[in-house]
Amino acid sequence: GAVVSQHPSRVICKSGTSVKIECRSLDFQATTMFWYRQFPKQSLMLMATSNEGSKATYEQGVEKDKFLINHASLTLSTLTVTSAHPEDSSFYICSARADTSGFYNEQFFGPGTRLTVL
Amino acid sequence: AQTVTQSQPEMSVQEAETVTLSCTYDTSESDYYLFWYKQPPSRQMILVIRQEAYKQQNATENRFSVNFQKAAKSFSLKISDSQLGDAAMYFCAYRRGIYNQGGKLIFGQGTELSVKP
Repeated sequence: GAVVSQHPSRVICKSGTSVKIECRSLDFQATTMFWYRQFPKQSLMLMATSNEGSKATYEQGVEKDKFLINHASLTLSTLTVTSAHPEDSSFYICSARADTSGFYNEQFFGPGTRLTVL
Repeated sequence: AQTVTQSQPEMSVQEAETVTLSCTYDTSESDYYLFWYKQPPSRQMILVIRQEAYKQQNATENRFSVNFQKAAKSFSLKISDSQLGDAAMYFCAYRRGIYNQGGKLIFGQGTELSVKP
């Protein structure tokens, strides 16, 4: 099956610093990737849709300057949390939509990144 | 706007028994897909089953099957012969046709399923 990796799996940082999370599709190309945020015992909330070679589309209420997304290649999207604060602590999950029609354009999920801001 | 509702925050089932998780959705679209995802304690999202709205036949995957009632906008998941490994959070999700909005998923609130030995 299609595999999506995320790095790092967990990160602890000080308030005011920036953190970059990578999302890679390992064995397929993904023009479109998605970034979600999940709080404990809650659902996944879509933050933004990342498209290779173009600007990301952010969901309402998500600060573009706070959560910078770069989709520089067909296999890599990055999420940078700028000037992180404790309220940004959460579980961040990415997914990649396979370009190959045989996958029903299905989304494959990464294992997630736990961010803790002290 | 499309919405997905799971009204059962928690469910419990005895091992080897059958359990049904409920999901309703709201949409004015005719072209869409419905999914059930499983999120075990590892938090890795796993696709359990997929249903295309244009298909009348209910999808099945081994012990997992759905009851898709399009007119009622209901999409329940039945797990037969429950196993300890089925214990997880289950999310119902909706996706518009692939040519709309890039295919983003809208998730329900989730149902936490516990399996008793």
